Amino acid sequence: GEDVEQSLFLSVREGDSSVINCTYTDSSSTYLYWYKQEPGAGLQLLTYIFSNMDMKQDQRLTVLLNKKDKHLSLRIADTQTGDSAIYFCAEIYNQGGKLIFGQGTELSVKP
Amino acid sequence: DGGITQSPKYLFRKEGQNVTLSCEQNLNHDAMYWYRQDPGQGLRLIYYSQIVNDFQKGDIAEGYSVSREKKESFPLTVTSAQKNPTAFYLCASRSRGQTRVQNTEAFFGQGTRLTVV
Repeated sequence: GEDVEQSLFLSVREGDSSVINCTYTDSSSTYLYWYKQEPGAGLQLLTYIFSNMDMKQDQRLTVLLNKKDKHLSLRIADTQTGDSAIYFCAEIYNQGGKLIFGQGTELSVKP
Repeated sequence: DGGITQSPKYLFRKEGQNVTLSCEQNLNHDAMYWYRQDPGQGLRLIYYSQIVNDFQKGDIAEGYSVSREKKESFPLTVTSAQKNPTAFYLCASRSRGQTRVQNTEAFFGQGTRLTVV
């Protein structure tokens, strides 16, 4: 069945890079997404990657996709205290339009 | 301004009562979704709808019901059969896209926090 897995917590120092990892099960997924959630709020899209790409860079964000291992990662360069939030990876099953999220990784940035 | 609106932001329900959460979007999106969020469990899919008058069960549909009579609206009813309804509920919508390669991100509402008292 469909499943998306993430580690629950990550703690880094301000200025360091953060790497958040995600594994998924459905090789037919077309798009994979990274969302950010501030406390008590909805989710905001950070970036996405199409399944025929290996890497996508968007300012401080770098997404790496390893289709063979079904592994997705999000790297945040020069992490700031304002980056503290929960980060979700998600995949869309285009056959049926089902959008599945991981458990979320809580990123804590210490000054 | 286009967007997706959930109401109310906070909702209190007595045990044994049904309660309906509202989700409205003016983005002309075909697909809409309801998720439940509990600490440490991420977002779990309750129901989703790809088109008006059609919807599918997600992973945790028991104790919930939905309707999709209009494109703009996808209300969620939490019934008395849901044994542990206290949670944060999120609604999302997205365009289905014209082609397989057209990306269509999901937009989220700000959520409704339901508490059983």
